[in-house]
Amino acid sequence: GEEVAQTPKHLVRGEGQKAKLYCAPIKGHSYVFWYQQVLKNEFKFLISFQNENVFDETGMPKERFSAKCLPNSPCSLEIQATKLEDSAVYFCASSRRQANSPLHFGNGTRLTVT
Amino acid sequence: DQQVKQNSPSLSVQEGRISILNCDYTNSMFDYFLWYKKYPAEGPTFLISISSIKDKNEDGRFTVFLNKSAKHLSLHIVPSQPGDSAVYFCAASANNQGGKLIFGQGTELSVKP
Repeated sequence: GEEVAQTPKHLVRGEGQKAKLYCAPIKGHSYVFWYQQVLKNEFKFLISFQNENVFDETGMPKERFSAKCLPNSPCSLEIQATKLEDSAVYFCASSRRQANSPLHFGNGTRLTVT
Repeated sequence: DQQVKQNSPSLSVQEGRISILNCDYTNSMFDYFLWYKKYPAEGPTFLISISSIKDKNEDGRFTVFLNKSAKHLSLHIVPSQPGDSAVYFCAASANNQGGKLIFGQGTELSVKP
């Protein structure tokens, strides 16, 4: 499609439960990025993909967070055993090229951990 | 460490006047800079970008200026319109970082009729 599609829009999980977020990048875009917005105006980079391959995972909390981008499927970000501090808006973005190319963002998934 | 900084959390401008949003960066490896606009409950929308080989890029009412020696960029919106009211983020990337963007903290622009 012409837009990055993120589902669900809202997700509520009890502490310790699993959360799974989905992202369909723009058709033809080979690069996918996940960001976490905890405070209102701070974007934290989590992970990026080139097609189905992890390119950069330096921002991922390795113990509980994982992500995949498999062929012919939406990309996913999974959080095992959620904690209160995982409450945030998670944005997915895609781009056509690796360098000097704007990222196009979805509208985010708001995760609330209670 | 905050590699991209927007020191003004908010800015209020009269409709029709110029809005100037500022951004400073510390990493001299950054070579591509962008401005995004964000409305509540939506994702950031790409506005305009500039490569480090240029010092100015213009698109309609939006102009981005880059001063590499000062590690400073700015976004000019003229004339400002009430629909421009949003949070504006500057972002930067380095060629060897795989397209990853580092964002500033945002400036909330309010354009008053």
